[in-house]
Amino acid sequence: DTGVSQDPRHKITKRGQNVTFRCDPISEHNRLYWYRQTLGQGPEFLTYFQNEAQLEKSRLLSDRFSAERPKGSFSTLEIQRTEQGDSAMYLCASTASGTAEQYFGPGTRLTVT
Amino acid sequence: DQQVKQNSPSLSVQEGRISILNCDYTNSMFDYFLWYKKYPAEGPTFLISISSIKDKNEDGRFTVFLNKSAKHLSLHIVPSQPGDSAVYFCAAKTQGGSEKLVFGKGTKLTVNP
Repeated sequence: DTGVSQDPRHKITKRGQNVTFRCDPISEHNRLYWYRQTLGQGPEFLTYFQNEAQLEKSRLLSDRFSAERPKGSFSTLEIQRTEQGDSAMYLCASTASGTAEQYFGPGTRLTVT
Repeated sequence: DQQVKQNSPSLSVQEGRISILNCDYTNSMFDYFLWYKKYPAEGPTFLISISSIKDKNEDGRFTVFLNKSAKHLSLHIVPSQPGDSAVYFCAAKTQGGSEKLVFGKGTKLTVNP
């Protein structure tokens, strides 16, 4: 296993379109996180899954955002009706229960024009 | 409210010298602190962590010091190498629940040959 992977690496979309990102965590990790990073800021927490259950969502996650983790494996993050303010790097991380370190994927860079 | 602060946006050091990156936090309930290194267009890479019950952790050239009374931690890199040039993020892990990470804004380290 080579680590956390994310697809696509880059996405350019027009305002109002829907986009979906995928994250494949490290296979034995049951915890999966989505973060968002904008220029000059550190990553900010969006949402968390333990296995297939979404257990926490940040107030940053508006109702245009939805995330799933069917069967507790890969996860998807969908943004509906994108806005220019959604332009950011979307990062996925995974870890095992009882472990502090989270391992990040390469991220998906979203640009909304 | 910034719970994790990195007050120096940038730091420049000579190859072979020590690099010291600093981080302050406000929440006494954080139970782990982590440092991540990030290159442009990549996700953060885990570097080193420290439990809140320890005051020092060392891994090769990297040492993290924690001063709980001052709510301050620092990362020492000795000796610094040009390949260490990157943005370094300090992160703190919340206890219980999602155990999400709260990040500082990062410090850009440049190691000059």
